[in-house]
Amino acid sequence: AQSVTQLGSHVSVSEGALVLLRCNYSSSVPPYLFWYVQYPNQGLQLLLKYTSAATLVKGINGFEAEFKKSETSFHLTKPSAHMSDAAEYFCALMDSSYKLIFGSGTRLLVRP
Amino acid sequence: DAGITQSPRYKITETGRQVTLMCHQTWSHSYMFWYRQDLGHGLRLIYYSAAADITDKGEVPDGYVVSRSKTENFPLTLESATRSQTSVYFCASSADRGLFSYEQYFGPGTRLTVT
Repeated sequence: AQSVTQLGSHVSVSEGALVLLRCNYSSSVPPYLFWYVQYPNQGLQLLLKYTSAATLVKGINGFEAEFKKSETSFHLTKPSAHMSDAAEYFCALMDSSYKLIFGSGTRLLVRP
Repeated sequence: DAGITQSPRYKITETGRQVTLMCHQTWSHSYMFWYRQDLGHGLRLIYYSAAADITDKGEVPDGYVVSRSKTENFPLTLESATRSQTSVYFCASSADRGLFSYEQYFGPGTRLTVT
């Protein structure tokens, strides 16, 4: 069965520090993977997606993610955190029926 | 450029009542989805639709009914609301598979409380 695991329900970083949000997946077929961001009281917004092209994917707001098949990972990074990055982040996998399977989410806190 | 809208944004209802959550998109996307978001569970798919008059169950369909008579609308009905259905509900849409975008666009959500 396909699944997504996000390690750490909460991650806290200082402003200007590296952001690393972890996502591991399980899939028997080549996966399509996504990162979404949710700001308070809003819907989800796509940050970036991996659809079997380049393994390093760049998204909006300076975020990027690297697909590592050997590690079944798709971790999200940003070199320097801004206060405006505080939000909840969801990793998602598209299953064989084109439906999204979401991880449980990671709330990013940015300390001034 | 309204995109995808949901109504109401907030709803309080009593156990046993029927309630309908509305979803409307202006892109003529073929696919539409309903998710519920609960703490610790991320988003879970309730129902989805590939086109008008075509719907299918997701991960947690029990207690919910959907219809899709028009491409742009995808209402979700709780036939007899229970406290366990207290949640935030998100509607999403995506274009035809042939466009290979695979991206889902989300509405702002409806916060439903069942008392």
